[in-house]
Amino acid sequence: KNQVEQSPQSLIILEGKNCTLQCNYTVSPFSNLRWYKQDTGRGPVSLTIMTFSENTKSNGRYTATLDADTKQSSLHITASQLSDSASYICVVSDRGSTLGRLYFGRGTQLTVWP
Amino acid sequence: EADIYQTPRYLVIGTGKKITLECSQTMGHDKMYWYQQDPGMELHLIHYSYGVNSTEKGDLSSESTVSRIRTEHFPLTLESARPSHTSQYLCASTQPGGTNEKLFFGSGTQLSVL
Repeated sequence: KNQVEQSPQSLIILEGKNCTLQCNYTVSPFSNLRWYKQDTGRGPVSLTIMTFSENTKSNGRYTATLDADTKQSSLHITASQLSDSASYICVVSDRGSTLGRLYFGRGTQLTVWP
Repeated sequence: EADIYQTPRYLVIGTGKKITLECSQTMGHDKMYWYQQDPGMELHLIHYSYGVNSTEKGDLSSESTVSRIRTEHFPLTLESARPSHTSQYLCASTQPGGTNEKLFFGSGTQLSVL
C-alpha cells in the first residue's frame, strides 16, 4: 500500500532555531515529492516540488532534500520565525498517474515560541 | 497568492439540511479537486474534474455530489447533512503541465453538522 509517513508528529522550537522535518514514503513508482505549509484554518501552500532527478531545492529559509533510493525526504527550516508555526505536509505523486492521485502525509505540526 | 476562493469559510447547520459549498478560481485551470481533511489527518480526495462536464469520484467514499458547468466554478453539494460530515473541505485547482504542475488550494470550508 502506498503510504507517506511524517515525523515527528509535532515539534516545538524557539524562535531563531533551526529544525528538520522528515518524510518517508513507500509510493511506487515515484514521480515527485512536494512540501506544503498549512496555517491553521487555511488551505495548504506549496513550498517545494522535487522530481526524481533532484536531491535538493530551496525556497527562502526552507530547504527540501530528497533521497529517492531510500525514499526519504526532509524539510529544513533555518532561523525559524513565529510565522513558521504551521503544519508541514509531505505529498508524493506516483509516475504516470493523474495529479488527482496524490498521497498525503498527516503533517508535522510545528510551533515556534518566542 | 492563488486566486481560488471558497465560501462560506465556516458553516454550522442541523442534520438533514441540504448544503452547497462554493469554490471558484479565476486562473482558468481545467483541473479542480475537492479534499476532505479531519484534524491531524491526511487530506482525502473526494471528487475531481478535468474540465467542463467532467466529474469523477475520488479515493474516499463520499455522499456528496459535484458539478462542473463552468470552468471556474466547482460546487460541492450535500443533499442531507449528517454529523459524520463534520470536517474541513478544501478545494484545489491546477493547470496540466507535467510533473511540476502546482496545486493551488482555497482557504477551506469548516463544516459542523449538529
